[in-house]
Amino acid sequence: NAGVTQTPKFQVLKTGQSMTLQCAQDMNHNSMYWYRQDPGMGLRLIYYSASEGTTDKGEVPNGYNVSRLNKREFSLRLESAAPSQTSVYFCASSSLDEQYFGPGTRLTVT
Amino acid sequence: GENVEQHPSTLSVQEGDSAVIKCTYSDSASNYFPWYKQELGKRPQLIIDIRSNVGEKKDQRIAVTLNKTAKHFSLHITETQPEDSAVYFCAGISSGSARQLTFGSGTQLTVLP
Repeated sequence: NAGVTQTPKFQVLKTGQSMTLQCAQDMNHNSMYWYRQDPGMGLRLIYYSASEGTTDKGEVPNGYNVSRLNKREFSLRLESAAPSQTSVYFCASSSLDEQYFGPGTRLTVT
Repeated sequence: GENVEQHPSTLSVQEGDSAVIKCTYSDSASNYFPWYKQELGKRPQLIIDIRSNVGEKKDQRIAVTLNKTAKHFSLHITETQPEDSAVYFCAGISSGSARQLTFGSGTQLTVLP
């Protein structure tokens, strides 16, 4: 099993460009999450999906949208990237309480 | 919502010594407290967790203790080794139906040889 996978691993965007980060899990988990991690800080929740067909805002949702495409896939979209969105983005999934993380996407917005 | 505070932010210990990291939480209804280890450039990995019906849990050299009355929990690493050097995050889960984790700000542990 691959666990949680994310694409791309690295991305550089110019201010105002858009992009979608992809996440997939093969553990048959119901819940999926998107976090951002900034230097010297913990992980902050952007959006989550408690089950297929539902999504909700987390702590820092502004500037992002998400889609729970099916049980396996949960994507994060930046419609108009800003330098403040430079960060490392982690996707995670869980069946109960234990969350398992993907390898992350390092995004730089210039 | 839940608020989790973690300290210290940095910790250096000599190889073989013990390390202790402490966290406090605000939501008395929180009932699940995981600890994650994150090596440089890697994903956070769950190393141990504890539920509110248990006061202590141990797994080889790592242990976690929970004091529900004082709303704090701690990670204990004994006989530290250089490979224990990493950033450690504590977290607490919200009492709502979505089971969201709120993370502490992390502790950079350095084990000196």
